[in-house]
Order: sequence, then C-alpha cells, then structure tokens
Amino acid sequence: NAGVTQTPKFRILKIGQSMTLQCTQDMNHNYMYWYRQDPGMGLKLIYYSVGAGITDKGEVPNGYNVSRSTTEDFPLRLELAAPSQTSVYFCASLDKASQPQHFGDGTRLSIL
Amino acid sequence: AQSVTQLDSQVPVFEEAPVELRCNYSSSVSVYLFWYVQYPNQGLQLLLKYLSGSTLVKGINGFEAEFNKSQTSFHLRKPSVHISDTAEYFCAVSEDTGRRALTFGSGTRLQVQP
Repeated sequence: NAGVTQTPKFRILKIGQSMTLQCTQDMNHNYMYWYRQDPGMGLKLIYYSVGAGITDKGEVPNGYNVSRSTTEDFPLRLELAAPSQTSVYFCASLDKASQPQHFGDGTRLSIL
Repeated sequence: AQSVTQLDSQVPVFEEAPVELRCNYSSSVSVYLFWYVQYPNQGLQLLLKYLSGSTLVKGINGFEAEFNKSQTSFHLRKPSVHISDTAEYFCAVSEDTGRRALTFGSGTRLQVQP
C-alpha cells in the first residue's frame, strides 16, 4: 500500500516554464488537496477536490491549475513559473469518514 | 473561516526539561485538531489528533495535548525532551464538514540544547 505518491521530488525551473506536479493515491479517498509551504511557514491550501470531476480553489490558487479526472490522480499545473512559486508542495488525501489526512513526501520546486 | 495562532516562533529548552508549545484557534464550527512534526528537509509526521471524546490526547514520542474548548486552545506538552525532538512543530485545524482542509499555524521551532 503506497499511500500518497508525489513526483518529482525535486525540480528546478526557469522563469516562464511550465510543469505538472503529479500526485496519486491508492486508498480510494474522495478528498484530495494541494498545499504549499514557504520557508519558515506553515502550509497553505492551493486547491482541493471532493471527488472526481470536482475541484475548487483554496487560499492561494493564483498561478496554478488542477484537474481530477480519476479518483486516484490530482495533478497540479504551473503554467508560467514565477520566482514566487519557489516552495515545497505537498499533496494529501482524506477519507470522508476518517481523519487524518495522508500526506505525500513533497516536491521541492525552485524557480530561477 | 478558521485560523490558527502558534504563539511562539522558537522555543529553546534544555535536554530532559519539560516543554509546552502553545496553539490557539478560532472557528465558527466544530473542528478537529492536530499537531504535526517536521524534521529538516522532510515531510510532515502526525504527532497526535483530537477528534472527540477525552480532551487529553496522547501521541507518539511521548507527546500529549489538551483540548480546551472554552479557551480555544490545543497546547502540546512533553515532560522530558530529547535532543532528537529538535524540529518544527505545526498545529492545524480542520472543520468537520465542507472541504475538510487543514489550516496550519506558522510553526514553532523547538531547539533542544544539551
């Protein structure tokens, strides 16, 4: 049972490039989340999904897009990378009937 | 909307001394409460959670926390710390309905000195 898997673990991008952060879970959880953690700070919610085909914005959605075509996958897309998006990104999933959220190991992204 | 305040950004303490990391929250609905630990360049590890029932919650590594509804607090305690407890600690809350997302505090860095 792999839990929540994030790829890649590390990435360096140039300003203006685009990329997709992958997140997949094998627990059949309906809820999935993307958070970002800036240095010395707590995590902030970017986007979330309550089921396949349903997504919504969190507190810091600007510059990001998501999709949820299957229960398992919840990719996060950066279209035009900016230095302000340098951060560590965490994906998480949740079973509605049970707490807590299950976190992936994170993706460390640097934009230069 | 909900919010979490961790009152201390850094807490230095000597090894084998007791420690308390403070957390206050605000929410207009019922919440679940959590403490996470993060070691340098690593992910989040759940220390403990309060969902319902007894207000004193015991977690891993000898940590415990007490939920105080009247003071909207969820302070984390350990009676005797070790060098290996040096890390960043995050308090978080989640509503029990709706999007169920976590709202995190800004973190408290626990520095255990020999």
